[in-house]
Amino acid sequence: NAGVMQNPRHLVRRRGQEARLRCSPMKGHSHVYWYRQLPEEGLKFMVYLQKENIIDESGMPKERFSAEFPKEGPSILRIQQVVRGDSAAYFCASSPNREATNEKLFFGSGTQLSVL
Amino acid sequence: QKEVEQNSGPLSVPEGAIASLNCTYSDRVSQSFFWYRQYSGKSPELIMSIYSNGDKEDGRFTAQLNKASQYVSLLIRDSQPSDSATYLCAVRRHSSASKIIFGSGTRLSIRP
Repeated sequence: NAGVMQNPRHLVRRRGQEARLRCSPMKGHSHVYWYRQLPEEGLKFMVYLQKENIIDESGMPKERFSAEFPKEGPSILRIQQVVRGDSAAYFCASSPNREATNEKLFFGSGTQLSVL
Repeated sequence: QKEVEQNSGPLSVPEGAIASLNCTYSDRVSQSFFWYRQYSGKSPELIMSIYSNGDKEDGRFTAQLNKASQYVSLLIRDSQPSDSATYLCAVRRHSSASKIIFGSGTRLSIRP
């Protein structure tokens, strides 16, 4: 039973390029969260999605950042025109498909984005 | 005020002693509380969850929740060097459509 799969593990981009980060949730999970983590800091919430719906995007910058979770395929976090400040570890987490407040998160290994 | 606050540490505890990690949260309607452990360069992993006031024990770990004081803690008994990691407190509000908010984490170091 595969866990949460994120790719790529490492992504290097030059300023102004686009970064696409992918996340495949655990089998049976239809809730996906994206978090950003800077060195020596905690996880900062970005966006919470269900299949084909954005539930909460209050932590995501209004410009350059977007996220989707289509009916088929992985969730994508897209960063356009990257800047050096976007360099961070981006973690995806998934939780089961049920309406409960005690859902636990299962994390992927993260994508380390480096902007040159 | 941060939604979830933790002392960043580092907290240094001798091997075999009890490590006590604390967390406070600002949203009174929070219902679900989690402790995650994160080793350096790795992803967080869940170690404890707690939903009602009182203590919950799982092996060497005990989570304590006091909703009136908006306080949740994690005790690690018989600390081992392998417990050295960053411990992240996470909180969720009352509805299933709520995001899960993490604190900035406490670095724990167990000295042999």
